[in-house]
Amino acid sequence: NAGVTQTPKFQVLKTGQSMTLQCAQDMNHNSMYWYRQDPGMGLRLIYYSASEGTTDKGEVPNGYNVSRLNKREFSLRLESAAPSQTSVYFCASSVQKGFEKLFFGSGTQLSVL
Amino acid sequence: DQQVKQNSPSLSVQEGRISILNCDYTNSMFDYFLWYKKYPAEGPTFLISISSIKDKNEDGRFTVFLNKSAKHLSLHIVPSQPGDSAVYFCAASHGWGTGFQKLVFGTGTRLLVSP
Repeated sequence: NAGVTQTPKFQVLKTGQSMTLQCAQDMNHNSMYWYRQDPGMGLRLIYYSASEGTTDKGEVPNGYNVSRLNKREFSLRLESAAPSQTSVYFCASSVQKGFEKLFFGSGTQLSVL
Repeated sequence: DQQVKQNSPSLSVQEGRISILNCDYTNSMFDYFLWYKKYPAEGPTFLISISSIKDKNEDGRFTVFLNKSAKHLSLHIVPSQPGDSAVYFCAASHGWGTGFQKLVFGTGTRLLVSP
């Protein structure tokens, strides 16, 4: 009963490097999300995918791109990492587009030096 | 502009007592509210929710109260247990029942329940 799986759990990058955070859910959910959590800032939405084949910007999309590969998978890419992107990243899913409860992965701790 | 505010970064309570976590919001359009609980090294998990047509919702030891006129909601945990020690996030949205609306999260309150 995996739920939402994120990889990797930890990553250290140098400024300018690129990487992709992977997320997969096995609950047959339609909607998927990427959040970042920073001290004193709560959880902020980066991008979301209301359904397979669609993606939309959230509150803080600059510096990120996403791909909804299929219904199960939603990846987040940092093309040129910056220290301001040091954060904990959470992927989440929900049954359908909306505000009902989200199921979160365990997070990726990313440090950009 | 922080639309959802949790002004207490931390709260300490003794086991068996009541824990009260508070949340204030500024957007009068919000009509659906949720609480999430987060343990270290884990993702947040849904705890309880309330829509604006209610002023109270209970689930076991957890009760959420909504005061729309004050734009304030609170989470009561009775009795508190050491396993309740976690960070609690308040979240809000609007457009209940009409389609996709993004959740806005507060900054979280760290609850410590001591034996």
